[in-house]
Amino acid sequence: EPEVTQTPSHQVTQMGQEVILRCVPISNHLYFYWYRQILGQKVEFLVSFYNNEISEKSEIFDDQFSVERPDGSNFTLKIRSTKLEDSAMYFCASSESMAGITDTQYFGPGTRLTVL
Amino acid sequence: SQQGEEDPQALSIQEGENATMNCSYKTSINNLQWYRQNSGRGLVHLILIRSNEREKHSGRLRVTLDTSKKSSSLLITASRAADTASYFCATGGRNTGNQFYFGTGTSLTVIP
Repeated sequence: EPEVTQTPSHQVTQMGQEVILRCVPISNHLYFYWYRQILGQKVEFLVSFYNNEISEKSEIFDDQFSVERPDGSNFTLKIRSTKLEDSAMYFCASSESMAGITDTQYFGPGTRLTVL
Repeated sequence: SQQGEEDPQALSIQEGENATMNCSYKTSINNLQWYRQNSGRGLVHLILIRSNEREKHSGRLRVTLDTSKKSSSLLITASRAADTASYFCATGGRNTGNQFYFGTGTSLTVIP
């Protein structure tokens, strides 16, 4: 069964450093998402991406964050200057069509980001 | 906020018993989905129910949706130790396009 994959599984970085989290969505999916989950808290929506542009973003997704689909398979989340409070599990998801309307989002296993 | 809220926050049952978890939300939705998360792992999609559906089954899972009460329930029948996990509902709204709002989750422990 096709699945969303994410790398790395765990990323440790120093405060102020840039990190790039990578995701490979399911191949025939058109919509891509990033979520984060701070330890012990809710899963929070960050951004959705369709047709090579951001379709929606939350208040969390400020200028420190950016997303990119650099090629036909990868979908990346970049945090330009990490803060301690960016420490969280980051989940990538994809869906075949617009998930909020009709379709299921499939999640990757997550990348645990630890900012020291 | 459209976020779903699950209750109970924690549930502990014996293997073989049924587990029922509830989710409430605040605004109109297009669909509601239930996910499972094992400790420290990713989210596994369980079932999607659309706003025009009232009940849906998938194996040992039964989901109901009452849009008039803005609530949903997830029933796991004949629970197994492997069902131990956190269960989340996520709502997709009429006006939120691709955004999903997750609840705080119910932590289910099934005792062998």
